[in-house]
Amino acid sequence: QVHVVESGGGVVQPGGSLRLSCVVTGLYFNTYGMHWFRQAPGKGLEWVAFIEYHGNTYYYIDSVKGRFTVSRDNSESTLFLQMDSLRAEDTATYYCVPNHYDGGYYDGYWGQGTPVTVFS
Amino acid sequence: VVLTQSPLSLPVTLGQSASISCRSSQGLVHSDGNTYLSWFQQRPGHSPRRLIYKVSKRDSGVPDRFSGSGSGSDFTLKISRVEAEDVGVYYCMQGTHLPPWTFGQGTKMEIQ
Repeated sequence: QVHVVESGGGVVQPGGSLRLSCVVTGLYFNTYGMHWFRQAPGKGLEWVAFIEYHGNTYYYIDSVKGRFTVSRDNSESTLFLQMDSLRAEDTATYYCVPNHYDGGYYDGYWGQGTPVTVFS
Repeated sequence: VVLTQSPLSLPVTLGQSASISCRSSQGLVHSDGNTYLSWFQQRPGHSPRRLIYKVSKRDSGVPDRFSGSGSGSDFTLKISRVEAEDVGVYYCMQGTHLPPWTFGQGTKMEIQ
């Protein structure tokens, strides 16, 4: 069973930084692309960033380009999101999700997420 | 790509069926032949869960009361024999025309 645990969220002032981490088990981590999604309080779901399985290709939503950096450590089955120059509009719960379309044992559940609050 | 869901609010009766539409501003057939349209459920106070991927494939453990259908730019999630635990918000998401991956606005399903 795939298990995802996000961490690293917290309260930070505008302009500050945070580094989110996500440990994935139950999956051949180094064979899957990985996403970061987020959900602002009371709002819908939003895709933030994606990194290919090898770590050499990545994409970002326009609003975070130049401020966020996604990376991964396949030896530790861990995904990261370095968040710099944070803004109030980045306040959300952040989720890491595998780009899994292979069926089989994957049950589609997301982790508990890690909350980020940008607050002055 | 813009995904438009309807309705945005869906009152249902226990035991009855419910359907949610998701229309895309562009066709969602990928160059590899697959259509990357997924459906997610978010129960109150819980993290989201993907129920359906590639239009109609159910993730492991998803009850067969949930079914996805459609093609091109017009898709539907059907929930048969609605149960109380199905209450929540449902989202469609496209993973064909990237980036970005995009979601519909969400449909809030409640028991009436």
